[in-house]
Amino acid sequence: DQQVKQNSPSLSVQEGRISILNCDYTNSMFDYFLWYKKYPAEGPTFLISISSIKDKNEDGRFTVFLNKSAKHLSLHIVPSQPGDSAVYFCAASGADGSARQLTFGSGTQLTVLP
Amino acid sequence: NAGVTQTPKFQVLKTGQSMTLQCAQDMNHEYMSWYRQDPGMGLRLIHYSVGAGITDQGEVPNGYNVSRSTTEDFPLRLLSAAPSQTSVYFCASSYLRTGHNEQFFGPGTRLTVL
Repeated sequence: DQQVKQNSPSLSVQEGRISILNCDYTNSMFDYFLWYKKYPAEGPTFLISISSIKDKNEDGRFTVFLNKSAKHLSLHIVPSQPGDSAVYFCAASGADGSARQLTFGSGTQLTVLP
Repeated sequence: NAGVTQTPKFQVLKTGQSMTLQCAQDMNHEYMSWYRQDPGMGLRLIHYSVGAGITDQGEVPNGYNVSRSTTEDFPLRLLSAAPSQTSVYFCASSYLRTGHNEQFFGPGTRLTVL
């Protein structure tokens, strides 16, 4: 059973609009969440993260929101640019010894249309 | 810095053949790991290491062996390849400080087992 779920395999957005990517998790022991971006034929690259003690983290055009009670997080990209077109993976990790063992979602392909 | 490097980029094997996927990093990271990416399943952890001489199993370790003789290198061995091991393999590394650290990924090895 997948502990981290990204239920939307794909998302298309117009350039300049907001992109919202969603992620749900089931394991209440997860306490740190990350978003990775992946272009074709490249490895994933770290985008932004959030600790469970926060409900929002912002970095430029990227904001991650965490709703612990709903076990849900989302990534907002504002404004969206064509270069943001990529696969976005949500990942989660636990505390202490499992901090670096990432559990990934299946990814969402974002396409930003010019 | 070259970051995380992986060789080869592509490989085709016949069932039963063996091979080693190479991974090296030049960032002096203590933690290294191997993931496989399959369609619709995100990335899954195969094996990981917290330092030279120390390795442990991840979520999907069967059919794979690892060793860590140096900080820089973390090879992944397939002793008898099976079609189910057709996948894209990513190596990643990070520091092992307290707290959570983003993992840096290599560009991947695309393996096909016939």
